[in-house]
Amino acid sequence: QVQLQESGPGLVKPSQTLSLTCTVSGGSISSGGYYWSWIRQHPGKGLEWIGYIYYSGSTYYNPSLKSRVTISVDTSKNQFSLKLSSVTAADTAVYYCARDQGGGDPDAFDIWGQGTMVTVSS
Amino acid sequence: DIQMTQSPSTLSASVGDRVTITCRASQSISSWLAWYQQKPGKAPKLLIYKASSLESGVPSRFSGSGSGTEFTLTISSLQPDDFATYYCQQYNSFFTFGQGTRLEIK
Repeated sequence: QVQLQESGPGLVKPSQTLSLTCTVSGGSISSGGYYWSWIRQHPGKGLEWIGYIYYSGSTYYNPSLKSRVTISVDTSKNQFSLKLSSVTAADTAVYYCARDQGGGDPDAFDIWGQGTMVTVSS
Repeated sequence: DIQMTQSPSTLSASVGDRVTITCRASQSISSWLAWYQQKPGKAPKLLIYKASSLESGVPSRFSGSGSGTEFTLTISSLQPDDFATYYCQQYNSFFTFGQGTRLEIK
């Protein structure tokens, strides 16, 4: 079955760019039909959707983060990535990648990565 | 954007109890609502989608109902494994989560 795995630095300095990658196994991003998202969870808090990408490369971002977010896809590596620029301590969180159910329009998230903790600190 | 409000924030209950968690949307989301269970240090797990559809492999003691702006998640008979935090999420207009309901042992 499809599995997702996040990877990237666990520590990022303020004002720098946070970069994470989600590797998809057990299925192909390019097979289409699914939206691939990034979601974060601040320590002890709720969940915040960051944005998604479709296999074709079309994206949509949370308006509250839009100016700082870029999500891209590399179908040859079966990966999609997140870049969040100009980070501050407020970006410290567990970052998850997730896949929706694939019903056509964006759906509920049925597959999640295990999450990766990113701390923003000098 | 659509705001999601869950109640209560914390719920104390015992094994065998029937519990209900409520989620309200700031505007109509039809039935585009999901419920997730999250345990400490783990990713959320999808329980219910389209307000009342049970995800494959999820025990039948979990059920969801509602449409429009008011939704509920019910656990018919609490099991020890059910003590966790529960989130609702709308996907009518992109994605927004509720603030969570922590279900703790009484």
